[in-house]
Amino acid sequence: QVQLVQSGTEVKKPGASVKVSCKASGYSFTNCAIHWVRQAPGQRLEWMGWINTVSGDTKYSQKFQGGVTITRDTSASTAYIELSSLTSEDTAVYYCATDSGNEVYFDYWGQGTLVTVSS
Amino acid sequence: EIVMTQSPATLSVSPGERATLSCRASQSVSSNLAWYQQRPGQAPRLLIYGASTRATGIPARFSGSGSGTEFTLTISSLQSEDFAVYYCQQYNDWPPLTFGGGTKVEIK
Repeated sequence: QVQLVQSGTEVKKPGASVKVSCKASGYSFTNCAIHWVRQAPGQRLEWMGWINTVSGDTKYSQKFQGGVTITRDTSASTAYIELSSLTSEDTAVYYCATDSGNEVYFDYWGQGTLVTVSS
Repeated sequence: EIVMTQSPATLSVSPGERATLSCRASQSVSSNLAWYQQRPGQAPRLLIYGASTRATGIPARFSGSGSGTEFTLTISSLQSEDFAVYYCQQYNDWPPLTFGGGTKVEIK
């Protein structure tokens, strides 16, 4: 069955960077794009960006452009999101998710990674 | 950016009763709308896509309707496991993909 397994909880200081991974299994990695979605405490889900796992092409929400980099390693069936210059406002749970391939809704989700930014 | 607005923010319902959740888009999204359920401490789960198509394994008590700017998620007879937060998401025009603010369905 399709599984997306994310890396564990991170605690970072303001100004630091963090890289979260999302390892896919149960399907061919390059069959589906990977998206990243953020959920700050008590807040709505926010789409951050997307990577085409075949070409490596990316799209980002304008809100996160410049502070976020999404990459993938096809040999490891893993996608990554790197957040730089962290502030307390980046404290959130970060999810990876696949889309259906034809339409951009999220049919499978990772378990989420909590990133806490605190001095 | 398409803004998604959900109402009400909180819905108090007794087990076995019907729940009706609304989602409105700031401009037409055609039928390119999905609904998700999120239980506490869990990742969201896809319920509905294409405004009205149930995802694999989703019980028939969940139904979606609407097109354009007005959408509804109906849970016909609430079970204990249905008390959760529900989000709508448009995928008609992106980037960005956008979600509503959520409706929390709580036990009355």
